[in-house]
Amino acid sequence: KNQVEQSPQSLIILEGKNCTLQCNYTVSPFSNLRWYKQDTGRGPVSLTIMTFSENTKSNGRYTATLDADTKQSSLHITASQLSDSASYICVVSATVNTGFQKLVFGTGTRLLVSP
Amino acid sequence: AAGVIQSPRHLIKEKRETATLKCYPIPRHDTVYWYQQGPGQDPQFLISFYEKMQSDKGSIPDRFSAQQFSDYHSELNMSSLELGDSALYFCASSTDPSSYEQYFGPGTRLTVT
Repeated sequence: KNQVEQSPQSLIILEGKNCTLQCNYTVSPFSNLRWYKQDTGRGPVSLTIMTFSENTKSNGRYTATLDADTKQSSLHITASQLSDSASYICVVSATVNTGFQKLVFGTGTRLLVSP
Repeated sequence: AAGVIQSPRHLIKEKRETATLKCYPIPRHDTVYWYQQGPGQDPQFLISFYEKMQSDKGSIPDRFSAQQFSDYHSELNMSSLELGDSALYFCASSTDPSSYEQYFGPGTRLTVT
């Protein structure tokens, strides 16, 4: 069964500190892995997208890693800001036999950055 | 830059009523996806359309139907609403079904009372 699991479920850190969120998946056939940031009640916003051959990608203070062998990914947030408070969702995409992308959403990590 | 537009943003309906949600994709995006996100849950894929044809189907109840029109906007029709249908409904669009990037709209919050 295609699954994406994230940890921790929730996290509180002080402003300015770094943190790392984890994602494990069993999606097949793997196409790509994305990290989204979702503010409460808003649509997810893409942070990074990585294919099988990429093992790291950065977007500002966000750095994602991918280990396709162990089927693990992490999202590292550097020098956190209050505006980073949101849910971070790991989404793994499988290419179905029609050529379409099917997204499998993780359970999300709710991050709270405290002043 | 233009984004995905969804309307209405908020909708309150009573049980057994019907609701229609609309999604206007980013210009030149011909693929539309619908997701349902219950309180505290991750988004669940409902259905997708490519070039006005259904391209994939997820956990969409039989009470729901959707279509994509000639201008590529899509509508999600929900009938015999139940309390459990209360959720955020997101629409996303992409340039084509094989595209890695899906752009999400702001969502429609449906409350069934």
